[in-house]
Amino acid sequence: DTVLTQSPALAVSPGERVTISCRASESVSTLMHWYQQKPGQQPTLLIYLASNLESGVPARFSGSGSGTDFTLTIDPVEADDTATYYCQQSWNDPLTFGSGTKLEIK
Amino acid sequence: QVQLKETGPDLVQLTQTLSITCTVSGFSLTTYNVHWVRQPPGKGLEWMGAMWNGGGTDYNSAFKSRLSISRDTSKSQVFLKMNSLQTDDTAKYFCAGTMYTTDYPPDYWGQGVMVTVSS
Repeated sequence: DTVLTQSPALAVSPGERVTISCRASESVSTLMHWYQQKPGQQPTLLIYLASNLESGVPARFSGSGSGTDFTLTIDPVEADDTATYYCQQSWNDPLTFGSGTKLEIK
Repeated sequence: QVQLKETGPDLVQLTQTLSITCTVSGFSLTTYNVHWVRQPPGKGLEWMGAMWNGGGTDYNSAFKSRLSISRDTSKSQVFLKMNSLQTDDTAKYFCAGTMYTTDYPPDYWGQGVMVTVSS
């Protein structure tokens, strides 16, 4: 299975720029997607196909990368962005998720 | 308005079978792919399998032959059945859908149903 590695946690202040990384154990082309999940809620799609902003998602969120290295950027960060962020690939079977990066806003 | 809603038991006994129904509205199952994803308490997301809009299925091999996904298009329902439950199957189970191809991630999610496996 394709393993997606994410940093466990990050802490930033409002107004700052934050990058959340996701590294795949093998190439996933550009079939990488990003979700936000707040406690007790279902995941919300932010970015699909590495760099496409999902409808209704603020332009503060952006994604980049291809192959094995991907980044989700939030700029500027707001207090409401406190959540866990997951990457997910759909290039290789089975679909897999990263272990999540918990973002704390100071 | 696209909606998905999972219904199922809160508690299942060890070694028994779990059955969850995902009822969808606002779209036809013949045009949407529906995925099943689970999340143990305090842990990450795990893809279980999918029902494709053409009626085919795909499963995560981690579940071997324990898992079955089916549908009733006339009732707009997708079914998950998993047997031989163990305590580590305790999780919130989500169904999620997308109208796009299999490359695309699910963009509509249900709220999930929390299932506890009890010994």
